Amino acid sequence: GAVVSQHPSWVICKSGTSVKIECRSLDFQATTMFWYRQFPKQSLMLMATSNEGSKATYEQGVEKDKFLINHASLTLSTLTVTSAHPEDSSFYICSVPAGTDTGELFFGEGSRLTVL
Amino acid sequence: QKEVEQNSGPLSVPEGAIASLNCTYSDRGSQSFFWYRQYSGKSPELIMSIYSNGDKEDGRFTAQLNKASQYVSLLIRDSQPSDSATYLCAVNTGGGNKLTFGTGTQLKVEL
Repeated sequence: GAVVSQHPSWVICKSGTSVKIECRSLDFQATTMFWYRQFPKQSLMLMATSNEGSKATYEQGVEKDKFLINHASLTLSTLTVTSAHPEDSSFYICSVPAGTDTGELFFGEGSRLTVL
Repeated sequence: QKEVEQNSGPLSVPEGAIASLNCTYSDRGSQSFFWYRQYSGKSPELIMSIYSNGDKEDGRFTAQLNKASQYVSLLIRDSQPSDSATYLCAVNTGGGNKLTFGTGTQLKVEL
């Protein structure tokens, strides 16, 4: 069964609105989760590291005020795309470390965002 | 800049043949290497992990690592149409579970 659950699977919104994506670790507690973004025919780009009980760590070039991350519990991290624009349309994927501290990750099903 | 490079393909092989996927990386300090399979519109799923030089086999899949050449590969034996997907090479370049992904190689297994 799935180790990581992501919701919603797809969402369409109007430009200027905000969208929240949830990522749940089902099988174990996760103090750290990762949020990736993937544009069509491109690779996964790490956006930020979500840290339980503290602020997220954002990668260079990712606007922290636009992509709000909250990791309030050991099993849930949320990504909110604020004031979404068409260029934010992408496939957003969360991941949870497998616990080996080697980089092995379990990925959620992904959320496809389309901003009109 | 830490990079992971792959040929984007598509790589076409006939059913039953061996598919060979290659990946090079720039950070000599990298310690962990992964191959993920991604079907169109889906999220990646882990196929293989490899941490030391040499070969690692798991069923029809064999991962090969050569740290001196900064090269990692994935062989798929007896390729099946269901193997048709994009294969992403990922490297743990900075520790702490952060991965850098290549752009992926699209594999097409033809009947």
